[in-house]
Amino acid sequence: EADIYQTPRYLVIGTGKKITLECSQTMGHDKMYWYQQDPGMELHLIHYSYGVNSTEKGDLSSESTVSRIRTEHFPLTLESARPSHTSQYLCASSDPRGGETQYFGPGTRLLVL
Amino acid sequence: AQSVTQLDSHVSVSEGTPVLLRCNYSSSYSPSLFWYVQHPNKGLQLLLKYTSAATLVKGINGFEAEFKKSETSFHLTKPSAHMSDAAEYFCVVSRRNYGQNFVFGPGTRLSVLP
Repeated sequence: EADIYQTPRYLVIGTGKKITLECSQTMGHDKMYWYQQDPGMELHLIHYSYGVNSTEKGDLSSESTVSRIRTEHFPLTLESARPSHTSQYLCASSDPRGGETQYFGPGTRLLVL
Repeated sequence: AQSVTQLDSHVSVSEGTPVLLRCNYSSSYSPSLFWYVQHPNKGLQLLLKYTSAATLVKGINGFEAEFKKSETSFHLTKPSAHMSDAAEYFCVVSRRNYGQNFVFGPGTRLSVLP
């Protein structure tokens, strides 16, 4: 069982609000990732990090931002939520020593009204 | 460049019968290949992975997959389906040792009928 946590699990919020989705892992993994998944669709990488103070944009353009101040913590922030941000957001981490296998959190389902 | 094709968006089997979920990949590099399962309202759980060792890979819950380079395939099988296997299954290709290059297939929804 992977030790990676996401909060909140579900969030309903109004347009224009600022939100932060939390992701934490206790495995000491250097690499962390954020994916966006629309219902019934595949996952798309929106952000990743190689380690502390490292953040990169993924394949799918996103208005969200991320930070990596501590190894175990990789929060994602939307400054002004819009209905188009409604989706599921999945966080993952990996360890190069483990063959780059990614371990996923339970996800946050976001609904922006 | 890498890509993944999952040939069936939905597979339906009866409990106790074999499961076959098909995956074909394209990769310019030596690939690592993974199968993940996602149950409703849950995150993704790793079923099994191929990273260059044995081509027949055994995973959790009785699943296995065979890497066939000549066919660029990595099909997932299970001899006997259980009701708890009903879920969404994702095939993933990655450039070996480059974790950020995970490319997900569109997923196959497995239904298991009593």
